[in-house]
Amino acid sequence: EIVLTQSPGTLSLSPGERATLSCRASQSVRSNYFAWYQQKPGQTPRLLIYGTSNRATGIPDRFSGSGSGTDFSLTISRLEPEDFAVYYCQLYGDSPLYTFGQGTKLEIK
Amino acid sequence: QVQLQQWGAGLLKPSETLSLSCSVYGGSFIHDSWSWIRQPPGKGLEWIGEINHTGYTKYNPSLESRVTMSLDTSKNQFSLKVTSVTAADTAVYYCARLSRYSIDYWGQGTLVTVSS
Repeated sequence: EIVLTQSPGTLSLSPGERATLSCRASQSVRSNYFAWYQQKPGQTPRLLIYGTSNRATGIPDRFSGSGSGTDFSLTISRLEPEDFAVYYCQLYGDSPLYTFGQGTKLEIK
Repeated sequence: QVQLQQWGAGLLKPSETLSLSCSVYGGSFIHDSWSWIRQPPGKGLEWIGEINHTGYTKYNPSLESRVTMSLDTSKNQFSLKVTSVTAADTAVYYCARLSRYSIDYWGQGTLVTVSS
């Protein structure tokens, strides 16, 4: 089973700043199997990025994803107030088919 | 636009069977794959399983012995059953659509609480 480890656990930034969230896989994975989600309190998760770097429908271009092998990242170029939330990475693997990281909380500094 | 609407019992006693269903509106039910994901209160996401239009299923090994997923293509619905629930099964359960190795549409979520 591949384990996804997200860092940091909590990231404190101000609106307008740049945010970089990381996700490390315990072994090398295929890039097209990697995704990112945003979840706000009391809401359903929202797909942001699929295939490592492809923005989902309706996702602003301040969100970008990158990475390969075992290291992947989500970057938010300029934080808006509505971006403060919990972010999860996700991998399509072997068993289980879908694995999530433990989440990074992005909070207002 | 795809919409998923889910329903089912929200309060169970230990050892009972959890039963949830999800209706799909829009999209192509018979060409897509469908999933259930859960999230314990205050915790992260856990994938439960997947079912495709042929009825082929794949489950999380951690739950496989207690989980059954099924679908009804005539109603554009799919369902989840989890037997012998315990307090550890308390969570918000989401139905979802799978696409391009990710999860692009989610149901509204159902809080299932297991308590005696």
